[in-house]
Amino acid sequence: ETGVTQSPTHLIKTRGQQVTLRCSSQSGHNTVSWYQQALGQGPQFIFQYYREEENGRGNFPPRFSGLQFPNYSSELNVNALELDDSALYLCASSLDAGGRTDTQYFGPGTRLTVL
Amino acid sequence: GEDVEQSLFLSVREGDSSVINCTYTDSSSTYLYWYKQEPGAGLQLLTYIFSNMDMKQDQRLTVLLNKKDKHLSLRIADTQTGDSAIYFCAEVSGGSYIPTFGRGTSLIVHP
Repeated sequence: ETGVTQSPTHLIKTRGQQVTLRCSSQSGHNTVSWYQQALGQGPQFIFQYYREEENGRGNFPPRFSGLQFPNYSSELNVNALELDDSALYLCASSLDAGGRTDTQYFGPGTRLTVL
Repeated sequence: GEDVEQSLFLSVREGDSSVINCTYTDSSSTYLYWYKQEPGAGLQLLTYIFSNMDMKQDQRLTVLLNKKDKHLSLRIADTQTGDSAIYFCAEVSGGSYIPTFGRGTSLIVHP
């Protein structure tokens, strides 16, 4: 077990709605990254937060946004949901940003279904 | 852009060795990783290799890197049923820290 938790486990939404996914990082980890994993695909990097600031972003539109809080929790917000947003959303925490050998500890993910 | 390719399935008998292969296209790749994902779980980092290395061994795991052919492999010795999972290859290139993942290889270990 990595000590990274995510909530909820599963979620069903309809097109056009908004959703907030939550992640609780390992204590002491300053960095959280969010990934989208579509069925049968590898994870795709959405963005990373370091000390409450966005530190890098993948190829995702602005309707994907995030927040990181001082208590090692973070949120992924998605507005105007589309059917293609259906996926497993993973968060991963690590000690520091940009450390390529810095182990990322993944949570179990939130399965989002958009109808 | 970067591309990481893996075969989708591998089936082995318990006790045999498994070899999972990965190819990548970005010649500026600096770090290459192997992750394991069990059903209903997140990804677990198994091992990584820096691009100036040819081989790395960690207990039952051996990583081989052929930088000329942009080919990475993960060998699991004495494969057990608990090794059944999806294995992802990922690479980080140049000055980036953003990993690019392959689609994953589903390893099935049967008695």
